Amino acid sequence: DAKTTQPNSMESNEEEPVHLPCNHSTISGTDYIHWYRQLPSQGPEYVIHGLTSNVNNRMASLAIAEDRKSSTLILHRATLRDAAVYYCILRDGLGSGNTPLVFGKGTRLSVIA
Amino acid sequence: DSGVTQTPKHLITATGQRVTLRCSPRSGDLSVYWYQQSLDQGLQFLIQYYNGEERAKGNILERFSAQQFPDLHSELNLSSLELGDSALYFCASSVELAADTQYFGPGTRLTVL
Repeated sequence: DAKTTQPNSMESNEEEPVHLPCNHSTISGTDYIHWYRQLPSQGPEYVIHGLTSNVNNRMASLAIAEDRKSSTLILHRATLRDAAVYYCILRDGLGSGNTPLVFGKGTRLSVIA
Repeated sequence: DSGVTQTPKHLITATGQRVTLRCSPRSGDLSVYWYQQSLDQGLQFLIQYYNGEERAKGNILERFSAQQFPDLHSELNLSSLELGDSALYFCASSVELAADTQYFGPGTRLTVL
């Protein structure tokens, strides 16, 4: 699996936008970019995923660089509930889909009231 | 609530013992994944089952085994437990093999004394 690099930690003020970066310079053409987050004392939860185009859903937006070597998860208005570890994961879109999620260390986001 | 249930929530046992962790996937999900989360290793994939058959194996020790039953629930058996097996064990489920999203349960915290 191609590797991702994320900052260890980030801090944001409540109600401000947060941009969480992820570098994946060795991404292959069939790798999807997935984001999961893990709130304290909970299991990971899916946030968003994309291949080439930017994506939006009710939780966040995903901005993907044109060369796909980096991406940014955008939380438009951080709340205290968004404090979590955010994982950027590459997943091969080809084949039978047997590939499990490979978690790195992620970015620990702190939100300040 | 992801719809994935895991029991028990907490488990405390002694070295050398054997325990069984149980997971019930979301209704309709055929694929079950097991992950281990420890402080030093982070979240690691152990094993995946699809409709009763083993489909992928990760860093699962020989002392560990799993199965998925006809009603699609899964059990993870851990034997000859060591102190280092203390961790959070998460189960995740997805609709099918190539599904994009995995839904995680709340986890079982195993403490080996």
